[in-house]
This record gives sequence, structure tokens and C-alpha cells, in this order.
Amino acid sequence: QKEVEQDPGPLSVPEGAIVSLNCTYSNSAFQYFMWYRQYSRKGPELLMYTYSSGNKEDGRFTAQVDKSSKYISLFIRDSQPSDSATYLCAMSATASYGKLTFGQGTILTVHP
Amino acid sequence: NAGVTQTPKFQVLKTGQSMTLQCAQDMNHNSMYWYRQDPGMGLRLIYYSASEGTTDKGEVPNGYNVSRLNKREFSLRLESAAPSQTSVYFCASSEVPFTYNEQFFGPGTRLTVL
Repeated sequence: QKEVEQDPGPLSVPEGAIVSLNCTYSNSAFQYFMWYRQYSRKGPELLMYTYSSGNKEDGRFTAQVDKSSKYISLFIRDSQPSDSATYLCAMSATASYGKLTFGQGTILTVHP
Repeated sequence: NAGVTQTPKFQVLKTGQSMTLQCAQDMNHNSMYWYRQDPGMGLRLIYYSASEGTTDKGEVPNGYNVSRLNKREFSLRLESAAPSQTSVYFCASSEVPFTYNEQFFGPGTRLTVL
């Protein structure tokens, strides 16, 4: 079983929809939780990160972490065609020398 | 700033051939990483270098070697390529290796092994 499991999708939603992306994990040592966005044929870029449990909001994006359930989510409000990309969750433990463990990625398409 | 650059962008090899993927960063970062990305598998860490002069194995190191040439450059070598190494390879760098660190990725190298 993988340490990090991510709903593979793909997801296809109309413009303006609320999108929910999710990951579960099994390693209790994970303390840092990140979401990367990857456009087609590009490298991933950090979108958001949170430390430990809680919520973090940045514009149309909200990241949630529930450590008791080992579950993280990314919500996108008022989705736009420019949000069409692959979204990867990533996690690391404090003593992991910065090593990230990634989920499989979810392909999101927002159509006009 | 160019950020993280990778060469080549594309490569086709025959089974058994060798090649080196090059990576350089101009952000004065201490740590560098090599990942491979396969469909349905996400990104998997091959090797990393927490600081200049050190390298360590990641999740999938078999069949690869690395060299941290200096603070800027981190190369990945395939000594005898196999079809299972067909993948997209990403190099990344980060300022520090510990705790939270944003990793900056290069554009990737698409490798096909026939």
C-alpha cells in the first residue's frame, strides 16, 4: 500500500464549479502538507502548503488537513479554465531532509 | 533567473546505452533532487543531495547514479538503460533540506528506452 493515496480522477467540471481534491496517507510522521499544480508538459509548482492540522485559504484555494483522519483536501472555488492541470498532493516529515512523498496526481479539466 | 534548467528535453535510447541527464539551478539552493514521473504513479524520488558533497538514495535508486558536481549542478546517470526507465525525469532544488521547504522543479526530460 502506498504511503499517500490520491483520487486519480480525472475530473471534468464546468467553469464556476467548486472542485474538491483529496488525499489520504498512512505515515503519522508527516507534518508538512503541500499541493503542487502541474500544467501539461511542465514541472510541478507549489500551490499551497500547510503545517500540521487546520485550514489555509489563498484566494480561490483552500487547503484543509485533518491529521486525526490522515486526510487532506484542496478546494477550488469558482473554478476557471486556467485551473485545468494535474494536482499533486505531497507530504514530508520533519526529519526527512526535505524529501517529499507525492500522491499519484489528479487531472482536472475545467471547461467553459 | 532561469531557475532550474535540465538538458536534454527529449532523449531516445536503445536498451543498454548509457546517458547523463544534466540539471543546474541558479537560486543558490543547498538541496537538489531527482524524480521520475510515470502515469498513475505520481513523482517518485530517485536520489537527493541535501547539501553539496552529499548524496542519498530515494525511493527508486536502482539503475541510477548521481553526482553533485558543485552547489549548482546535480547530474543523473543511467549506466545501462532499460525499457523500465522510460519516464519523465524532473530535477528540483530547495533552499534548505529540513522541515518545510518549497521545491522548485525544472521542465523535465522525456526519456524513451527502446
